[in-house]
Amino acid sequence: DGGITQSPKYLFRKEGQNVTLSCEQNLNHDAMYWYRQDPGQGLRLIYYSQIVNDFQKGDIAEGYSVSREKKESFPLTVTSAQKNPTAFYLCARSLQGAQQPQHFGDGTRLSIL
Amino acid sequence: KQEVTQIPAALSVPEGENLVLNCSFTDSAIYNLQWFRQDPGKGLTSLLLIQSSQREQTSGRLNASLDKSSGRSTLYIAASQPGDSATYLCAPANDYKLSFGAGTTVTVRA
Repeated sequence: DGGITQSPKYLFRKEGQNVTLSCEQNLNHDAMYWYRQDPGQGLRLIYYSQIVNDFQKGDIAEGYSVSREKKESFPLTVTSAQKNPTAFYLCARSLQGAQQPQHFGDGTRLSIL
Repeated sequence: KQEVTQIPAALSVPEGENLVLNCSFTDSAIYNLQWFRQDPGKGLTSLLLIQSSQREQTSGRLNASLDKSSGRSTLYIAASQPGDSATYLCAPANDYKLSFGAGTTVTVRA
């Protein structure tokens, strides 16, 4: 989607390893989100951030961590505590406010070696 | 907890036929509802957003209706084309959180 970039497109993790997924936006939007998508299932919210230096857990935050040090960046770390990390990870942006639409990036596919 | 159901799970139609995609949700206290399109291996593309105070929203061949009190939304796609083949997802918003169904996978046959 325009204005939001996820990298890398594909990522492989070894057992016991932490990996970090990048999400950058250039539209000066306040809010950013991380979702996980598993085959045949709907997206589930991992973490979200409405302003810099503040973020909240979503429904499935265990085994993940985030930071929001800059407005344009919201990286997601998948830690070794996440026992089933294989999934498609999607980042989204929106203006601040619950009534604002969310716009998604192209996703990162994470697999276990 | 918001539960979202999309019926049917899959749909195959000949080109030119109109499409009707259904979405139901359990918690009617929503701010808005978004419809998205997802192509295989890709991210989500936002199609339409209906605010909770609206009954309908239109964009080109797409029309979405919302009945908040009964927890239902319907996406209509007129005169379908092979390029409309994709998975369509609905997502009601409660506070800052979107809840998703598993989607309806549409195949339009040429």
